[in-house]
Amino acid sequence: QVQLVESGGGVVQPGRSLRLSCAASGFSFSSYPMHWVRQAPGQGLEWVAVISYDGSSTYYADSVKGRFTISRDNSKNTLHLQINSLRTEDTAVYSCAREGLLERAFDMWGQGTRVTVSS
Amino acid sequence: SYEVTQSPSVSVSPGQTATITCSGDKLGANYASWYQQKPGQSPVLVIYRDNKRPSGIPERFSGSNSGNTATLTISGTQAMDEADYYCQAWDSSTVVFGGGTKLTVL
Repeated sequence: QVQLVESGGGVVQPGRSLRLSCAASGFSFSSYPMHWVRQAPGQGLEWVAVISYDGSSTYYADSVKGRFTISRDNSKNTLHLQINSLRTEDTAVYSCAREGLLERAFDMWGQGTRVTVSS
Repeated sequence: SYEVTQSPSVSVSPGQTATITCSGDKLGANYASWYQQKPGQSPVLVIYRDNKRPSGIPERFSGSNSGNTATLTISGTQAMDEADYYCQAWDSSTVVFGGGTKLTVL
């Protein structure tokens, strides 16, 4: 089954760290650039980060640069997002998304994992 | 940083044409994509590369992109099309989303 399944979310205190994961199945994970996108409660989509198919290149939104790290393990078909120094404004549902090779758009999305930053 | 702007809401009667726009400086020089998101669900790609429809997306969805404006058009709008719609563009190697447009079918 072709799918993306996120995990690792939860309730975390400000200043702490969290590592999110996205397990891919049913397609050649190592061939695709992968992204993280977040959506705060009642708000729109916000792009977070992208990693190239082989992990050699990464790019981040200005709002998370220096605190977030995207990585991938192609041997385990898994994408990660390390989030450090969490802030209340990081509260959101975090979704991984596949960048279609032809589409240059997000042709597959996971269901998301919820991160709540609260003291 | 690059920004794209959408109107917050659009209303349309069933069977009529809905037009949702996305504006950004020289947006037409980049590819625009559109996503549909219904409450509690993940976004679904409905248009990519300005005007291409993914497999399974109804023909009533179409797109265009020129100058500073990308447009998503839904012809013969149905009640099931009521959702939030987001445009997406590229700024070099990073991505930008519009703020979203809530489409109401009434």
